[in-house]
Amino acid sequence: QSVLTQPPSASGTPGQRVTISCSGSSSNIGSNTVNWYQQLPGTAPKLLIYTNNQRPSGVPDRFSGSKSGASASLAISGLQSEDEADYYCAAWDVSLSGVVFGGGTKLTVL
Amino acid sequence: QVQLQESGPGLVKPSQTLSLTCTVSGGSISSGSYYWSWIRQPAGKGLEWIGRIYTTGSTNYNSSLKSRVTISVDTSKNQFSLRLSSVTAADTAVYYCARSYCPNGVCYYDAFQIWGPGTMVTVSS
Repeated sequence: QSVLTQPPSASGTPGQRVTISCSGSSSNIGSNTVNWYQQLPGTAPKLLIYTNNQRPSGVPDRFSGSKSGASASLAISGLQSEDEADYYCAAWDVSLSGVVFGGGTKLTVL
Repeated sequence: QVQLQESGPGLVKPSQTLSLTCTVSGGSISSGSYYWSWIRQPAGKGLEWIGRIYTTGSTNYNSSLKSRVTISVDTSKNQFSLRLSSVTAADTAVYYCARSYCPNGVCYYDAFQIWGPGTMVTVSS
């Protein structure tokens, strides 16, 4: 059971906008920033969003993040087939004194 | 461009100690203000943070693994290592090493920007 809660799956058609939620508590998302990772099949995760809503260099602006209270969301606009991947949220948890991840959301592009 | 590469035995017997090394290339492990982490992923499951070590050698560990984990750094070899004792089948996973993200001199210690490709470790007799 992951500390952060994500829906196990999400889907959309090319060009659509999809959002993936991440729910936590006051000890993690509620008091710290959220990072998002994209993991393509058979590869290491890639940092997609840091500090709630910032994109590292090279990440398309189709990807955006937001946070409100103890929840966060990742939005992907203009969905493309290459976006089909697993997406993970993560945050520092002050009670556990460590990084906690969501269980991951498998995004399918129909 | 900094790159990470995990190495170590792919098979460990139950109750023994898992030992992995992450070799840093393209930069010095002791330069900058980076945290160097270990993260694992059982087959078909999610990511689990194991722990991290700072450039100075200070460490933080996942509370659920703390009693079994040691992370150390060898600056002379530009490597950091993971030791996980008393392993069971539940420790079977792909193990990744990763570095924190520090763009333009500002560091985000819990964001993992650079990852190794991962190494599969199976615990079995």
